[in-house]
Amino acid sequence: EVQLVESGGGLVQPGGSLRLSCAASGFTYSSHSMNWVRQAPGKGLEWFSYVSSSSSNIYYAGSVKGRFTISRDNAKNSLYLQMNSLRAEDTAVYYCASNYLDYLGYFHHWGQGTLVTVSS
Amino acid sequence: QSVVTQPPSVSGTPGQRVTISCSGSSSNIGTNNVYWYQQLPGTAPKLLIHWNNQRPSGVPDRFSGSKSGTSASLAISGLRSEDEADYYCAVWDDRLNIVVIGGGTKVTVV
Repeated sequence: EVQLVESGGGLVQPGGSLRLSCAASGFTYSSHSMNWVRQAPGKGLEWFSYVSSSSSNIYYAGSVKGRFTISRDNAKNSLYLQMNSLRAEDTAVYYCASNYLDYLGYFHHWGQGTLVTVSS
Repeated sequence: QSVVTQPPSVSGTPGQRVTISCSGSSSNIGTNNVYWYQQLPGTAPKLLIHWNNQRPSGVPDRFSGSKSGTSASLAISGLRSEDEADYYCAVWDDRLNIVVIGGGTKVTVV
């Protein structure tokens, strides 16, 4: 069974940092590109970051570029998100999602999400 | 405002057929595959349609997808109460180099 389990969410002050993790199991992690997608309270889904299977290609949405860094460790079957300079508008549930192979936008599996709250 | 546009809501009675549109441009829907996701209340999204019109195993054949030009559609036939959810279309945009996700459509069974 495929599982994606996010962790690391919590309450952080504006301007602070947080690191999210996503542990993958049940599939050949190193063969699939990965994404982070978030959902602000009561709002729709927002894709904001992608990393290819070998980390050779990385994309960010403009809303997080320069503040967030996506990375992965294929030996540990893990995906990471380093979030710096956090703002109130970054408050959201953060999902990691695996692509089917490297099909962009094809979010084959999703984690359950982890809540990040940016507030003083 | 989303790069791809969906109606905020659609509603129907049990057994009815409803459709959700997803309107884009030549740099996204006009060029790339469209994916649809269903998000039931309080849960993570789930893949509903891939490659414009393909259903993953386990998705009922009441759900169907189509694409023409720069628009795509999701149809739900034989509407059931358990179909009440938010539905999102997603597609890669070649010009922006990002995945664009529609604003979502809330389906209500009245």
